[in-house]
Amino acid sequence: DGGITQSPKYLFRKEGQNVTLSCEQNLNHDAMYWYRQDPGQGLRLIYYSQIVNDFQKGDIAEGYSVSREKKESFPLTVTSAQKNPTAFYLCASSIEAGDYGYTFGSGTRLTVV
Amino acid sequence: GENVEQHPSTLSVQEGDSAVIKCTYSDSASNYFPWYKQELGKRPQLIIDIRSNVGEKKDQRIAVTLNKTAKHFSLHITETQPEDSAVYFCAATPRTLGRLYFGRGTQLTVWP
Repeated sequence: DGGITQSPKYLFRKEGQNVTLSCEQNLNHDAMYWYRQDPGQGLRLIYYSQIVNDFQKGDIAEGYSVSREKKESFPLTVTSAQKNPTAFYLCASSIEAGDYGYTFGSGTRLTVV
Repeated sequence: GENVEQHPSTLSVQEGDSAVIKCTYSDSASNYFPWYKQELGKRPQLIIDIRSNVGEKKDQRIAVTLNKTAKHFSLHITETQPEDSAVYFCAATPRTLGRLYFGRGTQLTVWP
């Protein structure tokens, strides 16, 4: 059953800690994306990767880092430099970068405690 | 990059009525326009999309229209049902930019 899996579903972080959100897809998609969703803010792009071993900053990359060592995986690290990390994080993938629709994961809700 | 604006931000309709959500875009090179539906606490899901070589596309109760000259596109939902209640996002992209540009979303509420 093909799809895109995010884990964990809920994550709690203490201030000053780095945390890593997992995103795995078995759709054989080349492109992967990370979005942040806050109430009333829509979907804001953090980072995206068009191909393995390559990624670009999105609109709100400060305080985040990513890697793309495998086609199937695109983990997102929320660093201590991110001042307001509490949000809902969505990972997505598409056949290739450009004019194709996205398949979204079910999201990770991160809360700073 | 592209800039997508979406209106209205909230929309309430009575069950059975029609709902229309409008988006404008800035980059005349944009050629792909998808619409996503996100129910509360769930992931966004693609419901319909249109490419710039087509003016209108229908899928049962939903349709999308595109006006390239005016640079706007709209989602039309007919015979609305309570299960249509969700946040709807439009998006646009020219192929060369490698990503979608989303509108800020419309919260649609359908009252029984």
